[in-house]
Amino acid sequence: DAGVIQSPRHEVTEMGQEVTLRCKPISGHDYLFWYRQTMMRGLELLIYFNNNVPIDDSGMPEDRFSAKMPNASFSNLKIQPSEPRDSAVYFCASSLLAGDDGDTQYFGPGTRLTVL
Amino acid sequence: KQEVTQIPAALSVPEGENLVLNCSFTDSAIYNLQWFRQDPGKGLTSLLLIQSSQREQTSGRLNASLDKSSGRSTLYIAASQPGDSATYLCAVGGGGSEKLVFGKGTKLTVNP
Repeated sequence: DAGVIQSPRHEVTEMGQEVTLRCKPISGHDYLFWYRQTMMRGLELLIYFNNNVPIDDSGMPEDRFSAKMPNASFSNLKIQPSEPRDSAVYFCASSLLAGDDGDTQYFGPGTRLTVL
Repeated sequence: KQEVTQIPAALSVPEGENLVLNCSFTDSAIYNLQWFRQDPGKGLTSLLLIQSSQREQTSGRLNASLDKSSGRSTLYIAASQPGDSATYLCAVGGGGSEKLVFGKGTKLTVNP
């Protein structure tokens, strides 16, 4: 398997524009996670899905952020409108199990977002 | 709310030295603990996963231990090499949630 795939790898946009980040999880994994990493706050969980259903979106910072998983092989994270403080590296991760049977999370390479 | 702390934030050692990285967490009701490695500009790579019922896990030169009651984990790296230079993150899963809560990491530099 190619691992978790994210696109684009780098995104530079202007404040107010819509940004869409994409993720393809490892085939067969039931859980998909979106994280954001900044120097100040470290790595934070934004939202996660189980079998394509959003389970916990309490980490989504504002209504400007939304995420969907229309099928088992694709998820996107949208920011509309984007702001300079959204600049960060966004990671997608997937795992086979979670909770009591917690399993290793496999991370994608990340998307470095810069909002000017 | 679970909080994960890693000390020190940065560590520099000469090649060949054995070293220990520390991780502490505030809520002992965890399902598991994972250690990850992150290279500059890259994603995270899982190194070791310790289930709550386990005390330690080993992989090659790496050994991770878990003491739930005291809220601590250590990552032991034997005979360090320059290729071990990276940021090491500790993440705790559980506490009534399937989320992982991450520490901010220890940046390790191994000097030739």
